[in-house]
Amino acid sequence: KAGVTQTPRYLIKTRGQQVTLSCSPISGHRSVSWYQQTPGQGLQFLFEYFSETQRNKGNFPGRFSGRQFSNSRSEMNVSTLELGDSALYLCASSPRTSGGETQYFGPGTRLLVL
Amino acid sequence: SQQGEEDPQALSIQEGENATMNCSYKTSINNLQWYRQNSGRGLVHLILIRSNEREKHSGRLRVTLDTSKKSSSLLITASRAADTASYFCATDAGGTSYGKLTFGQGTILTVHP
Repeated sequence: KAGVTQTPRYLIKTRGQQVTLSCSPISGHRSVSWYQQTPGQGLQFLFEYFSETQRNKGNFPGRFSGRQFSNSRSEMNVSTLELGDSALYLCASSPRTSGGETQYFGPGTRLLVL
Repeated sequence: SQQGEEDPQALSIQEGENATMNCSYKTSINNLQWYRQNSGRGLVHLILIRSNEREKHSGRLRVTLDTSKKSSSLLITASRAADTASYFCATDAGGTSYGKLTFGQGTILTVHP
């Protein structure tokens, strides 16, 4: 099976702009989680989607949002970008039928905000 | 917020030596997972150990879990230069914490040829 794919791989934006990142999970996986990785804060959970519903959300401002489509593909959006949003954004998928399963990560999207 | 602490923050060894990394966490867990990350790329899953397990092996990897001490260790035996990477432990609290893994700060492992 193909792994988790993320597009784009690299992105440069300026403060105030908005950005949309895309994640395609492994075929058959219905859960998609998003994480932000920065040198200062490490890996932090953003949110999780399952069957087009957000089931869990981390401690991030409302500028961070996401959605999931019927084919399980997911997007996350960051509006009004700030310098501190520069990070590696990782998505992960899992079958997540009953929970407690391995998450499979994509290669990430590296976002630089100038 | 980070769930746990990893120790050491950095580890430098020679090829063929064993590498041990430790992870402590704060709350009850359903399982604990270890991941590897090469040079800021995606995370690669190494091993998952459930809360009712004490030890698990996978190839050159050995993971232990002590829920009474809220700690885990990852042992990589006979290290290779290709094992050079950052290693993270991540906890899954289960229940309604859908899709949420809480990561430690990671251990940077350097294996010298």
